[in-house]
Amino acid sequence: QKEVEQDPGPLSVPEGAIVSLNCTYSNSAFQYFMWYRQYSRKGPELLMYTYSSGNKEDGRFTAQVDKSSKYISLFIRDSQPSDSATYLCAMVQGGSEKLVFGKGTKLTVNP
Amino acid sequence: NAGVTQTPKFRVLKTGQSMTLLCAQDMNHEYMYWYRQDPGMGLRLIHYSVGEGTTAKGEVPDGYNVSRLKKQNFLLGLESAAPSQTSVYFCASSYQLAPTARAETQYFGPGTRLLVL
Repeated sequence: QKEVEQDPGPLSVPEGAIVSLNCTYSNSAFQYFMWYRQYSRKGPELLMYTYSSGNKEDGRFTAQVDKSSKYISLFIRDSQPSDSATYLCAMVQGGSEKLVFGKGTKLTVNP
Repeated sequence: NAGVTQTPKFRVLKTGQSMTLLCAQDMNHEYMYWYRQDPGMGLRLIHYSVGEGTTAKGEVPDGYNVSRLKKQNFLLGLESAAPSQTSVYFCASSYQLAPTARAETQYFGPGTRLLVL
């Protein structure tokens, strides 16, 4: 079993839809959870960051972590064509020097 | 602040040729990383460094060497390129990830596209 599993999609939604992106993981020692956004032919950039369980909201984006289920989610409200990108989840355990990434989900928001 | 820069942006090599990819960061980060990204495989860690003069192997180190002679630079070398090394290479840098993980975590460069014929 991979440490981090992420459905690669692709996911295609109409503008204004609510988007749900998810990752599951197997290592219960992970403490920090991140979502990166990667536009085509660009490097990934940090979008959201959460420590331990709970929710974090930033504008149209909400990140959720459920450590009991080893499941993290990213919700995008009122999705826009500019949200079209690949979204990668990432996580790290305390004391580690390395992030563990999901393979990414490619999202297209159609006008 | 330029952030993380990578040189070159694109390169074509013939099998057996060698080359060095350069990564530079101006954020005074201790940690630097080299990843490769291939379709369906996601980001895979090649080598990383936790400080000047240190290097360590990642998930897919074979065929690559690295050096971190200066804190701001991290070099990735291919001694004898193979078609399997055709990929997009990303460099990243960060402060210590955890337990004092910061919101910035890893900053990525724009990538180097390498084609090995």
